[in-house]
Amino acid sequence: AAGVIQSPRHLIKEKRETATLKCYPIPRHDTVYWYQQGPGQDPQFLISFYEKMQSDKGSIPDRFSAQQFSDYHSELNMSSLELGDSALYFCASSWLAVLAKNIQYFGAGTRLSVL
Amino acid sequence: DAKTTQPPSMDCAEGRAANLPCNHSTISGNEYVYWYRQIHSQGPQYIIHGLKNNETNEMASLIITEDRKSSTLILPHATLRDTAVYYCIGALGGFNKFYFGSGTKLNVKP
Repeated sequence: AAGVIQSPRHLIKEKRETATLKCYPIPRHDTVYWYQQGPGQDPQFLISFYEKMQSDKGSIPDRFSAQQFSDYHSELNMSSLELGDSALYFCASSWLAVLAKNIQYFGAGTRLSVL
Repeated sequence: DAKTTQPPSMDCAEGRAANLPCNHSTISGNEYVYWYRQIHSQGPQYIIHGLKNNETNEMASLIITEDRKSSTLILPHATLRDTAVYYCIGALGGFNKFYFGSGTKLNVKP
């Protein structure tokens, strides 16, 4: 079965650079979520989109922005990178129409290292 | 979203049942209980969820108390591959974010 695809899997950037993380949800899924997991920490919600509109926002820095495109893929754009942005970034998708059960399926993640 | 409390770690012998408890005393009537696990920095994996009734699937069973203040995830025959951090999450349906607490680190030993 198709899963959530994230790219790239690994990314190394310098401080103050920009990064773009991509997420391709499971086919027919209309909702995308982004989570950040710092070293030794638990995943923290960043932002979500339903039908290409932002549906919720968590502790996402102003330096980060995201959007969901017409084909439902999503991109997380990160600017002025800081050392503290080094983390695993997970994307999850769900299908709201499935009785609103909100089962989120996660991708393998993008490991961002800021040097 | 409901705040959940789980023991930080548990051990289980291979082949035995693993029973992972979760306290969610502040859960509201329309919030589901979801269980996910994360194996060594991989993406969290969905296990099971429930609202009021007990649930069972090919991976696990979920027992929810009648007052819905706590639940137990049961892995009937734990294997070494079940070693992971298990998260209990209380959340509404629809497109609602998950709040991941600290989870339980389950160590399955030979």
